[in-house]
Amino acid sequence: QVDLQQSGPRLVKPSQTLSLTCAISGDSVSNKSAAWNWVRLSPSRGLEWLGRSYLRTNWYNDYAVLVKSRITINPDTSRNQFSLQLTSVTPEDTAVYFCARGRSVPGASGLGPFDYWGQGALVTVSS
Amino acid sequence: DIVMTQSPDSLAVSLGERATINCKSSQSVLHTSNRNNYLGWYQQKPGQPPKLLIYWASTRESGVPDRFSGSGSGTDFTLTISSLQAEDVAVYYCQQYYSTPPTFGRGTKLEIK
Repeated sequence: QVDLQQSGPRLVKPSQTLSLTCAISGDSVSNKSAAWNWVRLSPSRGLEWLGRSYLRTNWYNDYAVLVKSRITINPDTSRNQFSLQLTSVTPEDTAVYFCARGRSVPGASGLGPFDYWGQGALVTVSS
Repeated sequence: DIVMTQSPDSLAVSLGERATINCKSSQSVLHTSNRNNYLGWYQQKPGQPPKLLIYWASTRESGVPDRFSGSGSGTDFTLTISSLQAEDVAVYYCQQYYSTPPTFGRGTKLEIK
């Protein structure tokens, strides 16, 4: 059974950096049949995919265009976890943040549905 | 990006009755070579993360009750709950994983009438 445990500050000041970590048990961040995602949920934008990191022949990252200039997702193989950093946050970044495992699938994008999710973390951007 | 449009926004159904939720994609999510529809359905209950119910548009995830079924192809999809139970009260989302970025519908809130 795969379990994803999220941690990180719940209150971030405007212009600062939001940082969250997702610790994996029951799987490996180096699993070549998975991708490790961050998704957020807000009333204004609904469920919004932010980005992912995955290992195939090399490590790859994909990021949503809206946050591409501000986001970094890093795998940590020594701790079997992955992290999200979002810089220069504004109140618009207030949301519930989830980490999620995506399955590898044949064809098309090669990256499939999200079958395991972290518990979620409400992160508020406010001074 | 592929835009996913769900309808209705909310739905109230009596216990034991059928619930139907629709999802339309702005472009086809059917892969022509393998004939798979890259479409999933999720259930989110209050205070919980989304839970994968259906993938490939019609394949139930392990452990999901058989009253949940998915259908459709190309751009038009449906999630059906054949006999609504009290524990099915939730928000339901469709998602396409045909192309990057993966995108979600805005959700359909399902309540008991």
